[in-house]
Amino acid sequence: SQTIHQWPATLVQPVGSPLSLECTVEGTSNPNLYWYRQAAGRGLQLLFYSVGIGQISSEVPQNLSASRPQDRQFILSSKKLLLSDSGFYLCAWSVHSQGVTEAFFGQGTRLTVV
Amino acid sequence: KNQVEQSPQSLIILEGKNCTLQCNYTVSPFSNLRWYKQDTGRGPVSLTIMTFSENTKSNGRYTATLDADTKQSSLHITASQLSDSASYICVAHTGGFKTIFGAGTRLFVKA
Repeated sequence: SQTIHQWPATLVQPVGSPLSLECTVEGTSNPNLYWYRQAAGRGLQLLFYSVGIGQISSEVPQNLSASRPQDRQFILSSKKLLLSDSGFYLCAWSVHSQGVTEAFFGQGTRLTVV
Repeated sequence: KNQVEQSPQSLIILEGKNCTLQCNYTVSPFSNLRWYKQDTGRGPVSLTIMTFSENTKSNGRYTATLDADTKQSSLHITASQLSDSASYICVAHTGGFKTIFGAGTRLFVKA
């Protein structure tokens, strides 16, 4: 069965420090991978998606970047965190089969920038 | 513009009561619509899926409806339980990489 791992679960970082959140998927190959952010009381905002190794598409301009060094690994990074980067970050993968698409989410990382 | 709008933003109901959450979507091309339940601090989990040819589907106490003509969907929860307290997110999939999320409805079930 397919599983998705995301870590850490919580993170408190000072302004200006770097960030690295990691996500790995098991049980599937060549998944579409996504990073979302959910600000408090807001909906999910798509940040990046990837259709393959080294292929990253950004949905919104921001202080963050993403990389996919391996087929089932997706990393969200920042060189210098801002206060506005605080939020709940979710990694997801999706499958499109027989005309339907479903997204599967990791457990999320609660990032607080202080 | 692809978008998904949900209402109400939040809802408080008593345990045992029913409720209905609404979702209006403007997505093209439309593949399917899913309702996800997101417990606080967790990732969303799929409750039910609706394709454009389906107009109702049930999953236990959850019943989703879809009107492809008016581009509206609803999620009806019957005999609510305390564990139903969560955010319910309506998501429209376009079949490619475009997945449009609603802002969610925050449901509080009180004893």
